[in-house]
Amino acid sequence: EVQLLESGGGLVQPGGSLRLSCAASGFGFHAHAMSWVRQAPGKGLEWVALIDTAGQFSYYADSVKGRFTISRDNLQSTLFLQMTSLTAGDTALYYCAKGPTAASALLEDWGQGALVTVSS
Amino acid sequence: DIQMTQSPSTLSASVGDRVTLTCRASENMGNWLAWYQQKPGEAPKLLIHRASTLESGVPSRFSGTGYGTDFTLTIDSLQPDDFATYYCQQYNSYLRGFAFGPGTKVEIK
Repeated sequence: EVQLLESGGGLVQPGGSLRLSCAASGFGFHAHAMSWVRQAPGKGLEWVALIDTAGQFSYYADSVKGRFTISRDNLQSTLFLQMTSLTAGDTALYYCAKGPTAASALLEDWGQGALVTVSS
Repeated sequence: DIQMTQSPSTLSASVGDRVTLTCRASENMGNWLAWYQQKPGEAPKLLIHRASTLESGVPSRFSGTGYGTDFTLTIDSLQPDDFATYYCQQYNSYLRGFAFGPGTKVEIK
């Protein structure tokens, strides 16, 4: 069974940084692209970032480009999202999601999310 | 960026109804379109990919059609478990983001 468990969320001040992790199990993590998707309270889904299997290619939404960095550790089956220069607009539930192939942005399995709150 | 729109934003329907949700892209994306269902307090669930391919385990009352810029998700004979919010997503524009539509909430009439 595919399991994706996000951690690292919490309360952070504007301008601060936070690193999210997503521990994966139940599938060959090294063979699947991974993404982060966020959802602000009461709002819709927003795709944030995608990384390919080797970590060679990554893509970002314009809203986070230059501030967020997606990375992965295939030996530890873990996905990361390093977030810097956070603003209130980044407050959201952050989901990690698994793609079906090496570089696909299709999101076939999702974690339960990690809540990030940016507030002073 | 590619813009995705969905209509209606809210749809009121009864159990047993046939409902059709629409998703429109700002430019041609072929059939690289997915539909997700999200219930309150839960993570989204992938229903359909490649515009019309049903995911394993998804009931056959769900179907998707479309190509290019206009897509539809149809639910035949709406069931109580189907009341949720539905999002479309394009997933092939690597340099321009993988935008979701704003969602359609299907609520009980």
